[in-house]
Amino acid sequence: AQTVTQSQPEMSVQEAETVTLSCTYDTSESDYYLFWYKQPPSRQMILVIRQEAYKQQNATENRFSVNFQKAAKSFSLKISDSQLGDAAMYFCAYRSATGGSEKLVFGKGTKLTVNP
Amino acid sequence: DVKVTQSSRYLVKRTGEKVFLECVQDMDHENMFWYRQDPGLGLRLIYFSYDVKMKEKGDIPEGYSVSREKKERFSLILESASTNQTSMYLCASSSGRLLYNSPIHFGNGTRLTVT
Repeated sequence: AQTVTQSQPEMSVQEAETVTLSCTYDTSESDYYLFWYKQPPSRQMILVIRQEAYKQQNATENRFSVNFQKAAKSFSLKISDSQLGDAAMYFCAYRSATGGSEKLVFGKGTKLTVNP
Repeated sequence: DVKVTQSSRYLVKRTGEKVFLECVQDMDHENMFWYRQDPGLGLRLIYFSYDVKMKEKGDIPEGYSVSREKKERFSLILESASTNQTSMYLCASSSGRLLYNSPIHFGNGTRLTVT
């Protein structure tokens, strides 16, 4: 079974600075997808960024980028120029690219605080 | 835009009651999921369904059952609610086509308190 580990229960960053959230995972599969979700106090889960395992190039979405290290099974999220609206719970998630299910396996989450 | 609607945002029930959490999606998705979210534990999969009347256990199915009589609706049932089922419950759906650009869509969650 796949597992996802987020080793930082809480992180804080000053507004306009950069922060990196860590995520490692364990799988025996070679083809899979990785995601970062953001959950603000509204509770709505928002997809931040996604990465296909077979793509070596790291995904980027505006101020959000990932450092995907397949051999190390690491998938960290970097938030540049942090904004107050980035404050939220962040979840790393894994999804198999094969099989009949699209279920996500989640980490335990990292609570990000952005200080003005 | 995909919409996943959970019927209640907050729910308070008594121990031993039968509880129904309802979820409806409007995009003709094949897959539907129920997750439970607890502080420090992240989201854990309770049950999922990949077709009408089809279901599979997730990681923590004990104390729960599900029903999917229609494609758009997926119900989570607590046969006899207990205090340790006090939690946030998130419903989600996905297309079922295993596409990279077909992500899972979540509802806004139901915060259930069992007293």
